[in-house]
Amino acid sequence: QVHLVESGGGVVQPGRSLRLSCAASGFTFSLYGMHWVRQAPGKGLEWVAVISFDGGNKYFADSVTGRFTISRDNSKNTLYLQMNSLRPEDTAIYYCAKSPYSSGSYSPFEYWGQGALVTVSS
Amino acid sequence: EIVLTQSPGTLSLSPGERATLSCRASQSVSSSYVAWYQQKPGQAPRLLIYGASSRATAIPDRFSGSGSGTDFTLTISRLEPEDFAVYYCQQYGSSLTFGGGTKVEIK
Repeated sequence: QVHLVESGGGVVQPGRSLRLSCAASGFTFSLYGMHWVRQAPGKGLEWVAVISFDGGNKYFADSVTGRFTISRDNSKNTLYLQMNSLRPEDTAIYYCAKSPYSSGSYSPFEYWGQGALVTVSS
Repeated sequence: EIVLTQSPGTLSLSPGERATLSCRASQSVSSSYVAWYQQKPGQAPRLLIYGASSRATAIPDRFSGSGSGTDFTLTISRLEPEDFAVYYCQQYGSSLTFGGGTKVEIK
């Protein structure tokens, strides 16, 4: 079965960087687009970024454009989110999620990881 | 950006009752690209419905979705104890946005 496991969360000061990883198993990772979605404590869901199956197409939410980068290593079945210039409002649980499509286009989120908590605070 | 408004904010019902959740979009959602998710406390969301009306894998048939254009509905025909949770709608026709959620609580 599909299994997604995020790691790399923690407490970081404003302005610093953090990289999240998402290890995938149970499906052919290299065939599917992948997303990051976040949820601030006690709040709703916010889409962050998407990457196509081959890394060739990437899209970002306006709130993170220019600060966050999404990438993948298909040889390691791993998705990444590089977060730079972090702000207190980036504090959230970050979920990786599988797209049912290969493209880096907008899609429903077919499967989700359990999430990684990122806290931005001085 | 398409804004999704979910109503009601909270729905208080008893097991066995029918739940009707609404999701209204600020503009028409192309090709009915609307999905619904269920989220329980401390858990990740789970996909229930995509394409406005198609059930995701292993989702019981008491869950159904309908609608088009700007108005979409999630119906739970008979609430089971495990259905009490927060439900989110999402559109993926133009970028990706979520509604604010509807909490279905035990009356």
